[in-house]
Amino acid sequence: AQSVTQLDSHVSVSEGTPVLLRCNYSSSYSPSLFWYVQHPNKGLQLLLKYTSAATLVKGINGFEAEFKKSETSFHLTKPSAHMSDAAEYFCVVSANNFNKFYFGSGTKLNVKP
Amino acid sequence: DGGITQSPKYLFRKEGQNVTLSCEQNLNHDAMYWYRQDPGQGLRLIYYSQIVNDFQKGDIAEGYSVSREKKESFPLTVTSAQKNPTAFYLCASSIERTDWNTEAFFGQGTRLTVV
Repeated sequence: AQSVTQLDSHVSVSEGTPVLLRCNYSSSYSPSLFWYVQHPNKGLQLLLKYTSAATLVKGINGFEAEFKKSETSFHLTKPSAHMSDAAEYFCVVSANNFNKFYFGSGTKLNVKP
Repeated sequence: DGGITQSPKYLFRKEGQNVTLSCEQNLNHDAMYWYRQDPGQGLRLIYYSQIVNDFQKGDIAEGYSVSREKKESFPLTVTSAQKNPTAFYLCASSIERTDWNTEAFFGQGTRLTVV
């Protein structure tokens, strides 16, 4: 079975400080993992994906995520938050059967000036 | 530009009425999906389709129906049987997932409100 747990429903940081959004997954198979970002009343945009090529994945807008199999984690980080990063972020896992994308419940990132 | 177009952006429905949400893609993707989003619950799969003229129920299909007559189109009908239809609806597509590394591409969503 596959599932995703996003450990924080809300995260608040000051502009210019690091961002950490936590994600733990459960998968019966070698997973593919994704992070998406959603701005209010918009669709989801892919930030980055892990596909087993490298454990540290770089994405758009300065975001990175590290796949840690021993910890079943795929945390999203950014060294310095920008006001435009304020949005909701979803961690997603997929398995080796068609269509099955499993979404976390989301983390809302607030960036204070 | 390639992408997924959902229309309308906002939709209001009276109780007891059926309503159809449009989803069109020009990415030449085989697979299409409908998700429902409610606050604090992530995305839940309603229906998905791998190929034309074929579709499968997702986790919350009750009260919804779909069709897939063309590769680029996957409309969703919210019927009067859906008890709590007010939500944000997202359509997505992906290439045929012969491997599970492919990601989904999303439309901009339709916000449905029952009045």
